[in-house]
Amino acid sequence: QSALTQPASVSGSPGQSITISCTGTSSDVGGYNYVSWYQQHPGKAPKLMIYHVSNRPSGVSNRFSGSKSGNTASLTISGLQAEDEADYYCSSYTTSSALVLFGGGTKLTVL
Amino acid sequence: QLQLQESGPGLVKPSETLSLTCTVSGGSISSRSYYWGWIRQPPGKGLELIGSIYYSGSTYYNPSLKSRVTISVDTSKNQFSLKLRSVTAADTAVYYCARLQGSTWELDYWGQGTLVTVSS
Repeated sequence: QSALTQPASVSGSPGQSITISCTGTSSDVGGYNYVSWYQQHPGKAPKLMIYHVSNRPSGVSNRFSGSKSGNTASLTISGLQAEDEADYYCSSYTTSSALVLFGGGTKLTVL
Repeated sequence: QLQLQESGPGLVKPSETLSLTCTVSGGSISSRSYYWGWIRQPPGKGLELIGSIYYSGSTYYNPSLKSRVTISVDTSKNQFSLKLRSVTAADTAVYYCARLQGSTWELDYWGQGTLVTVSS
């Protein structure tokens, strides 16, 4: 099974908005509303930021939002802050035996 | 607050078996709402789900690793374990255990991760 496709890197200035895409197939992203997004700072474990396409866990800033159209899901971060600089990974439920598939990750740089 | 903690050797020789255990505290591994997973991250690379297990013992493996992986659960100890056989340098990674929501399929609680190096 192939990983979900994410851009390798994105960047933005403080206060701006950025969007990270996550493209899969009808067997994962396109077929189910079970897309999640994780933030990972260097040397730390990933942190859940969005689940079920667009839901935020308690404590996650409302500057983070998620959406999906067809086989592509998106994470939008508005009002960029320096602390948002991190790697971001999407994941999706998949019909393969693994149950969950990750994207390759996107490095966000706050300029 | 749920906590997960990985434990096991940090150094494994090539061709041997990597063995890790994840101890769950602050909640029951026998809950019917969750699965329990192992994820790895090679240095400088992305996340890869190795596989997951339900409290009943049902297992779900990444097809690319399925031939070398065994995940098991010990509900009496609130632990689940990973065995990866015939390791090579390519298996060097930080290994995480995590809780997987069984209804919406997100990994909502993670261990801190443990680095396992494969080297002679």
